[in-house]
Amino acid sequence: DVKVTQSSRYLVKRTGEKVFLECVQDMDHENMFWYRQDPGLGLRLIYFSYDVKMKEKGDIPEGYSVSREKKERFSLILESASTNQTSMYLCASSLRTLYSPLHFGNGTRLTVT
Amino acid sequence: DAKTTQPTSMDCAEGRAANLPCNHSTISGNEYVYWYRQIHSQGPQYIIHGLKNNETNEMASLIITEDRKSSTLILPHATLRDTAVYYCIVRVDSGYSTLTFGKGTMLLVSP
Repeated sequence: DVKVTQSSRYLVKRTGEKVFLECVQDMDHENMFWYRQDPGLGLRLIYFSYDVKMKEKGDIPEGYSVSREKKERFSLILESASTNQTSMYLCASSLRTLYSPLHFGNGTRLTVT
Repeated sequence: DAKTTQPTSMDCAEGRAANLPCNHSTISGNEYVYWYRQIHSQGPQYIIHGLKNNETNEMASLIITEDRKSSTLILPHATLRDTAVYYCIVRVDSGYSTLTFGKGTMLLVSP
């Protein structure tokens, strides 16, 4: 079974802090994704990566950056956390082949106070 | 990607078939229909996908109309653990495709 592991289930940070959300997958997937999920807004794509050191902006990249130094690891960085970044963050991965489904982690619930 | 329309919520009795509809009237010829679900406090889970033929796997069946403007996900014998939000997504498929999630249908399976 594919496993996508997010480093923390719950995280509480203060406004202005630099925050790192880590995601690791164990199936040698080329593609990795970061989404955030908010009530009434659904899942929205922040950033994605097709390969090591490559990144693409999703629909809402503002206030975020990402890092992909190794194939299995994709990090989401909040340079200066703000209260409007309080959300559920979901990481996903997939093969870079046709019809390959996305496999999601169970999420990190981040609260910025 | 084509837009989809799903009912906000549906109810189903345990043991009965759950039929979840999805309208995608603007779907183009090279767009696939995907279904995912999200159980509370978990990440979304892939269920099934198809282009124009009906598909079945161990989790569900997918029925796509001949004109491809709508589809139905069928859970043949719903259990309480099938209570979740179900997302219907249409997209062009390539190795570089992302997923755009709508609001989905909240399916409540009751005893």
